[in-house]
Amino acid sequence: QLQLQESGPGLVKPSETLSLTCTVSGGSISSSTYFWAWIRQPPGKGLEWIASILYTGTTYYNSSLKSRVTISLDTSKNQFSLNLSSVTATDTAVYYCARRPNGFALDIWGQGTMVTVSS
Amino acid sequence: DIQMTQSPSSLSASVGDKITITCRASQDINKFLAWFQQKPGKAPKSLIYAASSLQSGVPSKFSGSGSGTDFTLTISSLQPEDFATYYCLHYNYYPLTFGGGTKVEIK
Repeated sequence: QLQLQESGPGLVKPSETLSLTCTVSGGSISSSTYFWAWIRQPPGKGLEWIASILYTGTTYYNSSLKSRVTISLDTSKNQFSLNLSSVTATDTAVYYCARRPNGFALDIWGQGTMVTVSS
Repeated sequence: DIQMTQSPSSLSASVGDKITITCRASQDINKFLAWFQQKPGKAPKSLIYAASSLQSGVPSKFSGSGSGTDFTLTISSLQPEDFATYYCLHYNYYPLTFGGGTKVEIK
């Protein structure tokens, strides 16, 4: 059974870079069948898709965040990662990683990790 | 980018009620529309994909319909465990965009 688990610091200072990792277990990240995605949810607000990546390295980004976001894969560790630079308080959110089968919607999600941007 | 407008933003209903939530896309997305349920403190759970296909393990009281720009999620006979927030998502192409959510509360 495929599982995703987010990890990373829960507190990041303003202007610094937020770095998160999603570890995939129960299946391989190196499959042409799936995209891997990051989504976030500010406290009390709705869901926002951030970025997706295919095992080939093909990436897609939310245009509102594109200048600050990088998504990457580490197939040797069966992980994918998110870097968000120059963070501000508005980047405070629960960050989720998820799987998206090619041609389908997001189907399996991690439990989420809360990241607070504060000095 | 495609905008997804979900309505209502909240609704109150009683156990046993049938409810309908609507999602409208700013342009034609064929049937590339999914619905998710989210409970407080939990990750979203996939309910429906391709506008009307039920995700494995999801009870048949959930149903979806629509194509093009207008979509609905219907929950027949609400049960206590169904009180949650529901989101639509278009996945026709990138960027993916979610609707604003509908919070279903107990009357």
